[in-house]
Amino acid sequence: SAVISQKPSRDICQRGTSLTIQCQVDSQVTMMFWYRQQPGQSLTLIATANQGSEATYESGFVIDKFPISRPNLTFSTLTVSNMSPEDSSIYLCSVRGQIGATNEKLFFGSGTQLSVL
Amino acid sequence: QKEVEQNSGPLSVPEGAIASLNCTYSDRVSQSFFWYRQYSGKSPELIMSIYSNGDKEDGRFTAQLNKASQYVSLLIRDSQPSDSATYLCAVNTNGNKLVFGAGTILRVKS
Repeated sequence: SAVISQKPSRDICQRGTSLTIQCQVDSQVTMMFWYRQQPGQSLTLIATANQGSEATYESGFVIDKFPISRPNLTFSTLTVSNMSPEDSSIYLCSVRGQIGATNEKLFFGSGTQLSVL
Repeated sequence: QKEVEQNSGPLSVPEGAIASLNCTYSDRVSQSFFWYRQYSGKSPELIMSIYSNGDKEDGRFTAQLNKASQYVSLLIRDSQPSDSATYLCAVNTNGNKLVFGAGTILRVKS
């Protein structure tokens, strides 16, 4: 499976500021996703990060709030903009479809624990 | 109706027993199904995948799929205290996205 490095691992931020989370994979992958896991909840898909084009957002998530970049097949960023305490959550990068592999399994990075004061 | 439904638990079983975790899904065209284990404070870890009707065994784990009933389950034999975690059922939907259930908390008592 791919090795997925995500940083920062945790951060405490002030209301109104923005935080950019980075996700680096050790091999090229076809698909990268960003999930959110709020306290005591399951995973909710925020968006699919598309290489070289705008991300595809799920219902309830918008680009102005969660801008995403994916400049190549191994790297993506998620920005949480104009944060409020409701954005306190774990944000998870996930990847699927390693180039040259035949599986469609989804693997997760270690996550970013975000607390907004 | 939620796309993927699981009993939140907690499910408590004694050490050495079989733990049975269940999941139902709403999208009839789903073809791929996954079970993840998540320890507190950690990210989900893939433990099983299943694509065809029937049983698939991997060590102490057995995944069971019944597409006609839209039902997938995970059996853990000889449960150990280290199996205590939240188990997430995930289903592949149209567009290669995985939709997750809310998870079932499993507690194995020694």
